[in-house]
Amino acid sequence: DQQVKQNSPSLSVQEGRISILNCDYTNSMFDYFLWYKKYPAEGPTFLISISSIKDKNEDGRFTVFLNKSAKHLSLHIVPSQPGDSAVYFCAAINNNNDMRFGAGTRLTVKP
Amino acid sequence: DSGVTQTPKHLITATGQRVTLRCSPRSGDLSVYWYQQSLDQGLQFLIQYYNGEERAKGNILERFSAQQFPDLHSELNLSSLELGDSALYFCASSVDRLADTQYFGPGTRLTVL
Repeated sequence: DQQVKQNSPSLSVQEGRISILNCDYTNSMFDYFLWYKKYPAEGPTFLISISSIKDKNEDGRFTVFLNKSAKHLSLHIVPSQPGDSAVYFCAAINNNNDMRFGAGTRLTVKP
Repeated sequence: DSGVTQTPKHLITATGQRVTLRCSPRSGDLSVYWYQQSLDQGLQFLIQYYNGEERAKGNILERFSAQQFPDLHSELNLSSLELGDSALYFCASSVDRLADTQYFGPGTRLTVL
């Protein structure tokens, strides 16, 4: 059951430009959303999160936008840097502490 | 270095066998989470323990079980292993709630032959 979907398996962006990673969910009971970054051979690292009572959360170069009516969230990275090249996972949690991850999007930032 | 340690780093075993993966959380963290990352399923939440008690359950098979000990380290037991259980198993820890920032360990790569 794919309650959280990342429909783009890969994304390539030029250094300095904006990277936009998208995530869709189907379960309206999700009330907290997170983004993780994963480098090869390492565990995922937490990037940024957003509660369902907000529509935007910003942390440095990373901004997460939440559109509840569309059940859609996105991660914006501005400006993109080569070190941002990694796999990005979105995750959603409902009020039963049930957590689901998307399949991930591989971001490549070209110098 | 996240402060979360996992052993072993690699594990190769045969179908039908049983293995135990071990995780030590960051100092001060009371919650431990287990995740499975496989090629076809992506990253999946398995189970959470908080201060020795099961707190939340995800897509964990009945053949799998976990526990958290008084010193807060956790073990994930996988039994009657199947080829499809081959995956990376990550442990993470956080101070408390599932939505708290989680710090991931380096993972254990399990290969079932």
